[in-house]
Amino acid sequence: GQQVMQIPQYQHVQEGEDFTTYCNSSTTLSNIQWYKQRPGGHPVFLIQLVKSGEVKKQKRLTFQFGEAKKNSSLHITATQTTDVGTYFCALKGGSNYKLTFGKGTLLTVNP
Amino acid sequence: SQTIHQWPATLVQPVGSPLSLECTVEGTSNPNLYWYRQAAGRGLQLLFYSVGIGQISSEVPQNLSASRPQDRQFILSSKKLLLSDSGFYLCAWSRLLRTGDSPLHFGNGTRLTVT
Repeated sequence: GQQVMQIPQYQHVQEGEDFTTYCNSSTTLSNIQWYKQRPGGHPVFLIQLVKSGEVKKQKRLTFQFGEAKKNSSLHITATQTTDVGTYFCALKGGSNYKLTFGKGTLLTVNP
Repeated sequence: SQTIHQWPATLVQPVGSPLSLECTVEGTSNPNLYWYRQAAGRGLQLLFYSVGIGQISSEVPQNLSASRPQDRQFILSSKKLLLSDSGFYLCAWSRLLRTGDSPLHFGNGTRLTVT
């Protein structure tokens, strides 16, 4: 079945520092999605990457899809306390109808 | 616009009792529907998905079942809860046939504690 590894599991930063989480797949992906879950909340879709080497930006967030379409990263520049939460990558699983989620990276930000 | 409703928000149930969680979607037709569980940590485990009325696919053998009696209604049930059923249950929908190309929209979730 589809294997996805997301690292690190936890990241604690001082406000203003940068943050990166990585997602690695055992197989070539057609696309990858990223979600954010605030503490006590539900996952919210952030973005989808489709093309090899694709880079997308949302304000301080930069998403990248690897050239081989087997890995992806999410980078946050100058973290703020509002960035606190768990960031998940998600990719198509064994069928066309489901997503397999990584275990997530829990980001905490010290003000 | 589309909205997803999930209830209750929290639930405390004794071991051996039945369970029924309901999820409804508004503003779209023929959605793909999903039940995920998130236990004590952060990982999201897919439990069931449905591509149409009466069509249920189970991902993990377990103490739970799902039903889709109407196009936009998805129900998660159990006849007898186990302690291990505790967790955060999330209903989600997607619009297109292939979820890899369409984002999941999650409900607010139900926090279930089995005592």
